Amino acid sequence: DAGITQSPRHKVTETGTPVTLRCHQTENHRYMYWYRQDPGHGLRLIHYSYGVKDTDKGEVSDGYSVSRSKTEDFLLTLESATSSQTSVYFCAISLDRDQPQHFGDGTRLSIL
Amino acid sequence: GQQLNQSPQSMFIQEGEDVSMNCTSSSIFNTWLWYKQDPGEGPVLLIALYKAGELTSNGRLTAQFGITRKDSFLNISASIPSDVGIYFCAGQLTTGNQFYFGTGTSLTVIP
Repeated sequence: DAGITQSPRHKVTETGTPVTLRCHQTENHRYMYWYRQDPGHGLRLIHYSYGVKDTDKGEVSDGYSVSRSKTEDFLLTLESATSSQTSVYFCAISLDRDQPQHFGDGTRLSIL
Repeated sequence: GQQLNQSPQSMFIQEGEDVSMNCTSSSIFNTWLWYKQDPGEGPVLLIALYKAGELTSNGRLTAQFGITRKDSFLNISASIPSDVGIYFCAGQLTTGNQFYFGTGTSLTVIP
């Protein structure tokens, strides 16, 4: 298994509250990614990082922000959670942009 | 975003049978990946393809990079119960650095 740990694994929260998900890697990979997985949509990229403090938006970035202060940690924040952000969130890592991505086991987030 | 169409959406097969699934797009890709996802877990990389026409095997799994570069195929031979799961394709465009994912093929193997 690639050394990727997502926390928490499950979370239930209320609309309007802030939520932060954490991805921690022990592989020293340069690239880190956040995806959401919803039925009928597959995996969709939210944000990604190509180095410490270097991040960029993916195709579904509205309502999300990210930060990467250390190589090993990539945080995803929902500033004010909405019910449409109920989903399973996956972190992934890769050595470089053209290399295959390896995934964590996901965080199931429910927003009531 | 890019649309990757996976077919079929679901399959129910008898143990021992061979399986074929595919992934198609209207765009040209320079890399194709195949993943398997078990319930409650993240996708696990099965096979990576980098050249048009490339045929790569991983045990009983064989994947091909279509010569048009707009499609890819995954075959599983002599299926077993642990093959159950959802299989995803992913493609990377020639000019971009994002991988786009298909919506998956759900495989059920009947013992």
